[in-house]
Amino acid sequence: NAGVTQTPKFQVLKTGQSMTLQCAQDMNHEYMSWYRQDPGMGLRLIHYSVGAGITDQGEVPNGYNVSRSTTEDFPLRLLSAAPSQTSVYFCASSYGRYGDDYTEAFFGQGTRLTVV
Amino acid sequence: GQSLEQPSEVTAVEGAIVQINCTYQTSGFYGLSWYQQHDGGAPTFLSYNALDGLEETGRFSSFLSRSDSYGYLLLQELQMKDSASYFCAVRDRKGNTPLVFGKGTRLSVIA
Repeated sequence: NAGVTQTPKFQVLKTGQSMTLQCAQDMNHEYMSWYRQDPGMGLRLIHYSVGAGITDQGEVPNGYNVSRSTTEDFPLRLLSAAPSQTSVYFCASSYGRYGDDYTEAFFGQGTRLTVV
Repeated sequence: GQSLEQPSEVTAVEGAIVQINCTYQTSGFYGLSWYQQHDGGAPTFLSYNALDGLEETGRFSSFLSRSDSYGYLLLQELQMKDSASYFCAVRDRKGNTPLVFGKGTRLSVIA
């Protein structure tokens, strides 16, 4: 059981380039989300999805797009990379451990992105 | 909106007990969670409190007081491997809603 898989693990981009961060989960979780983590800032929500075909914006969505065509995959697209997007990106999927909805999040190992 | 406050750093001695506090301000409230993250790693789930009181899982316990908008994570018999960052997180309502994280507390366990 692979859990949540993110690719690539490391990436260097030039300003203005675009790229897609991949995220796949094999746990059949409906809820998936993307966070970025910067020093001293904790985890900030970029976009999330409550199921295939449904996405919504989080706290810091500017400069990023997402789509959810299948339950398993939730890619994050950087449209035109900027140095301010240098960060560690985490994808997560969630289910309800305690007979409730979405109480435990499983994280991928992260993508460390540098924009120069 | 939602905001969570937790100390930025805590240092404790191996074998001791440490408490990491979290206070939250949310428009609604549906559960307080705790996550652990080692340097270079991914956050991993530790505990969840939906109701007031103490939840115990081995050396870790988590407490919630909804009337005080306050919770804490208690780590007992500290080990060097407990050195990590700890995040509290909340949802403001049940169901398909985002998990909002605090900025994290870096715990250093010293000999």
